[in-house]
Amino acid sequence: GQQVMQIPQYQHVQEGEDFTTYCNSSTTLSNIQWYKQRPGGHPVFLIQLVKSGEVKKQKRLTFQFGEAKKNSSLHITATQTTDVGTYFCAGFTNAGKSTFGDGTTLTVKP
Amino acid sequence: DAGVIQSPRHEVTEMGQEVTLRCKPISGHNSLFWYRQTMMRGLELLIYFNNNVPIDDSGMPEDRFSAKMPNASFSTLKIQPSEPRDSAVYFCASTLREDYGYTFGSGTRLTVV
Repeated sequence: GQQVMQIPQYQHVQEGEDFTTYCNSSTTLSNIQWYKQRPGGHPVFLIQLVKSGEVKKQKRLTFQFGEAKKNSSLHITATQTTDVGTYFCAGFTNAGKSTFGDGTTLTVKP
Repeated sequence: DAGVIQSPRHEVTEMGQEVTLRCKPISGHNSLFWYRQTMMRGLELLIYFNNNVPIDDSGMPEDRFSAKMPNASFSTLKIQPSEPRDSAVYFCASTLREDYGYTFGSGTRLTVV
């Protein structure tokens, strides 16, 4: 079945450093979504990417969808302590089936 | 809107007991999802409903798990009998349209001892 892999599993950064998490699917996706889950919280929807090669920005966050629609990345510029949490990607197939990656847990040292 | 409402927030039960988790989706959302989150297996989709009809229950672990959505504003996930390996956080999520993203509830932390 469909597999969605995320790397790295954990990332520890100093406040102000950049952070990137990568998401790779075993199959071509119709779209991909990104979520953030704060410690002890629930996943919160951040964004959806649909088009091949699409790039979207939300303040310090930059999301990319690969040309082949099998991979995606989330980049945070100049991390802040408020960025801590686990970032999940969720890949969707044309059949509407979604698979969440295992997430990348980000910790930020002030 | 109060968002997706789940109850209870925490549940501790003994092995063999029946457990019922409840979810109220956002009004107007026509798709509802039940997820289970554990350290070992991450976020797993158990079942999802569209317009109150179960569409895909391939993620339901076994016959001990059942889910219902009797109307657009209420869903239950039942485990009978419960086992220690069912201990996890169970999330309910709803959406109006897939490209709007899923709105998750705060989850039910289930501990089976």
